[in-house]
Amino acid sequence: EPEVTQTPSHQVTQMGQEVILRCVPISNHLYFYWYRQILGQKVEFLVSFYNNEISEKSEIFDDQFSVERPDGSNFTLKIRSTKLEDSAMYFCASRDRGRHTEAFFGQGTRLTVV
Amino acid sequence: KNEVEQSPQNLTAQEGEFITINCSYSVGISALHWLQQHPGGGIVSLFMLSSGKKKHGRLIATINIQEKHSSLHITASHPRDSAVYICAVSVSGGGADGLTFGKGTHLIIQP
Repeated sequence: EPEVTQTPSHQVTQMGQEVILRCVPISNHLYFYWYRQILGQKVEFLVSFYNNEISEKSEIFDDQFSVERPDGSNFTLKIRSTKLEDSAMYFCASRDRGRHTEAFFGQGTRLTVV
Repeated sequence: KNEVEQSPQNLTAQEGEFITINCSYSVGISALHWLQQHPGGGIVSLFMLSSGKKKHGRLIATINIQEKHSSLHITASHPRDSAVYICAVSVSGGGADGLTFGKGTHLIIQP
């Protein structure tokens, strides 16, 4: 069964460092998302991406964050200068036709900023 | 602003019991999703529905659009059903298509 894969599963980084979280969405999907879940809290929407551009972003997704689809398969989230409060589980998701279709999630990347 | 409320927050039951988890939301939606999150953290989609009822194995999801309410039922519950169950919605209208999540219901099924 096709699945969304994320790497790494766990990343530890020093405060102020840049991190790149990687995702490979399901191959025929067109809509891509990043969500985050701070420990003990609910999942929050960060950004959606369609047709090689951001279609929506939340208040959380400030200038420190960026997304890219550098080739036909990868979808990345970059955090330019990490802060302690960026520590969270980050989930990538994809859908084939947007809001009216099922969302498929990756297993998540646990980011720990020290 | 759309809020998604789930109840109960925590539920402990005995194996074999019938389980109901409730979700209510405050604005118009195009679809509602029930998701399962295991202790390892990964999220699995269980159902997406915009009307009526869906069934998959021992899981049943219903939605009442007029009342802005959905329920997830588990029949003949088993310890392997222990997980966090999350309700999430796609808000209707142009543009926005990211999901808005509830806080989740932490379910423990004891043998």
